[in-house]
Amino acid sequence: DADVTQTPRNRITKTGKRIMLECSQTKGHDRMYWYRQDPGLGLQLIYYSFDVKDINKGEISDGYSVSRQAQAKFSLSLESAIPNQTALYFCATSAGTGSQFFGPGTRLTVL
Amino acid sequence: GQQLNQSPQSMFIQEGEDVSMNCTSSSIFNTWLWYKQDPGEGPVLLIALYKAGELTSNGRLTAQFGITRKDSFLNISASIPSDVGIYFCAGQGGDTDKLIFGTGTRLQVFP
Repeated sequence: DADVTQTPRNRITKTGKRIMLECSQTKGHDRMYWYRQDPGLGLQLIYYSFDVKDINKGEISDGYSVSRQAQAKFSLSLESAIPNQTALYFCATSAGTGSQFFGPGTRLTVL
Repeated sequence: GQQLNQSPQSMFIQEGEDVSMNCTSSSIFNTWLWYKQDPGEGPVLLIALYKAGELTSNGRLTAQFGITRKDSFLNISASIPSDVGIYFCAGQGGDTDKLIFGTGTRLQVFP
C-alpha cells in the first residue's frame, strides 16, 4: 500500500467552484506539504504544516487554503477555482530530516 | 517562486551511455535531494545528501554535494530504458525544511 495517498487523482471543474483535494499518510510523519507543478516547471510550495496546530504559507498560497485535520491528514481547498489553477498538485510528508516523500498527485483542470 | 538552475533541460541518449546533470544555486544549502518523476506520478526520492563534499551512490546513480554548498551533481551510469523520466534536484537551507526545486532534466533513452 502507498504511504502517501491523494484523492481524487483527477478532477475537472468549472470556474468559481469550490474544490477540496485530500491527502493521507501512513508514514507517521509530523510534517506535511502541498505543492503545485505546472508543465515544464519544478514544484512550488503552497502551504505546509509541522503538526496538527501549525499551518504556514508557502511561496504561492494566494487562492488556496488548507486544513490539518489530524497528523495523517492534510487537505487543500480552492475556494473559488480559476483556470490558472489548472495544474498537478502533490502532497508530501517529512520526518524533519530533510527528505520529503510525495504522493501520486492530483491532476486538476479548471474550465 | 525561487528555483534552482538545473541543466541540461533535456537529454537524448543511447542505452548504455552515462548521464550527468547538475544544479546550481545562488544560496547555500544544507541538504541536496535528487528525485525522479515518471509521467502521471509523484517524484520519488533517489538520493539525499547532507554534508558538503559528500558523495553517495544508489545502484547506478551517484550524486555529490558540492564543496561550496551551492551545487550538486547526479550521474547515472550505463543507462537503461527505465531510466526515462524527469529528474529534479531540490535544495534545503536555513532553519526550515522547505525545499526549493530545480526545473528538471528530461531524460530519454533510446535502445
